[in-house]
Amino acid sequence: EVHLSQSGGGLVQPGGSLRLSCAASGFTFSTHAMHWVRQAPGKGLEWVSGVSATGGSKYYADSVKGRFAISRDNSNNTVYLQMNSLRADDTAKYYCAKDSWIIRGSFDYWGQGSLVTVSS
Amino acid sequence: EIVLTQSPDTLSVSPGERAILSCRATQSVSNNLAWYQQKPGQAPRLLIYGAATRATGIPVRFSGSGSGTEFTLTISSLQSEDFAVYYCQHYNMWPPITFGPGTRLEIK
Repeated sequence: EVHLSQSGGGLVQPGGSLRLSCAASGFTFSTHAMHWVRQAPGKGLEWVSGVSATGGSKYYADSVKGRFAISRDNSNNTVYLQMNSLRADDTAKYYCAKDSWIIRGSFDYWGQGSLVTVSS
Repeated sequence: EIVLTQSPDTLSVSPGERAILSCRATQSVSNNLAWYQQKPGQAPRLLIYGAATRATGIPVRFSGSGSGTEFTLTISSLQSEDFAVYYCQHYNMWPPITFGPGTRLEIK
């Protein structure tokens, strides 16, 4: 059974940093791209970032480019999102999501979400 | 950036009836479109990908159609567990990947 277990959310001041982790199990992690999607309170879904199966290609939404960095450790089946220079509008629940193919861009399994609150 | 719009914003339907949700793209996404269901406090759930292919374990009452810029999600006979928010999402020539704003399906 596929399982994505997230950790690392919390309260951070504007300008601060936070790292989210997503530990995967139940599938061959090294053959699938992984993504992060966020949802601001009461709002819709926003794709944030994706990383290819090998980690060699990384993709970002314009809203986070230059501030966030995605990475993965295929030896530990974990994907990360390093978030720097955080702003109030980054406040959201962040979900990691498994790509439904090698790298398609649809998401067939999701983590439970990590709440990130940016506030002074 | 491809923008997705969904209609209606809210759809009120009685259990057992059919619901039709629409999604429109500002430019062609071919058939690179997915639909998700999200219930309060839960992560989204993939229903449809490739515009018309049901994801694993999705009941046959969910069906998708369309290509290019116009897409439809049909739920043939609504069950109580189907009342939720539905999002369309494109993955054509990304980044970026974008989602529609969602349609809230509520009990009439």
